[in-house]
Amino acid sequence: EPEVTQTPSHQVTQMGQEVILRCVPISNHLYFYWYRQILGQKVEFLVSFYNNEISEKSEIFDDQFSVERPDGSNFTLKIRSTKLEDSAMYFCASNRGGSGQGYEQYFGPGTRLTVT
Amino acid sequence: SQQGEEDPQALSIQEGENATMNCSYKTSINNLQWYRQNSGRGLVHLILIRSNEREKHSGRLRVTLDTSKKSSSLLITASRAADTASYFCATPYAGGTSYGKLTFGQGTILTVHP
Repeated sequence: EPEVTQTPSHQVTQMGQEVILRCVPISNHLYFYWYRQILGQKVEFLVSFYNNEISEKSEIFDDQFSVERPDGSNFTLKIRSTKLEDSAMYFCASNRGGSGQGYEQYFGPGTRLTVT
Repeated sequence: SQQGEEDPQALSIQEGENATMNCSYKTSINNLQWYRQNSGRGLVHLILIRSNEREKHSGRLRVTLDTSKKSSSLLITASRAADTASYFCATPYAGGTSYGKLTFGQGTILTVHP
């Protein structure tokens, strides 16, 4: 069964460094998302991406964050200058159609980002 | 804002018992999705129920939806130790242009003792 994959599974970085988290969504999906979950807290929406552009972003998704779909399969999240508070589990997700239209949203296994 | 909130926050049962978790939300939805998360791991999609459905089954899972009460429940029958996980409900934004972002609740931590 197709699944969303993410690499790396764990990333440790120093404050101020740039990190790129990578995702391969399910191949026939059109909508892509990043969420994060700080330890012990809710899963929070960061950004959605459709038709090669950001369709929606949350307040968390400030200028330090960017997303890209560099080719037909990868979807990346870049944090330009990491802060301690960026430490979290980051999840990539994808849909064949919008969740608001009744399509299941599938999540990857996550990348645990630790900023020291 | 739309928000799924699960109840109880934690549930501890013996293997073989049934586990029921509830979710409430605030605004109109057109579907609701349930996920499972094993400790420190990814979110596994369990089931999606649409607003015109009242009940849905998948294996040992039974989900109900009551749109008049803005609530949903997830029942796991004949629980197993492997069902130990956190369970979340999630609702998509249903107003205006929908790109499908999900809003998650805090989750119910289910512990099944062998």
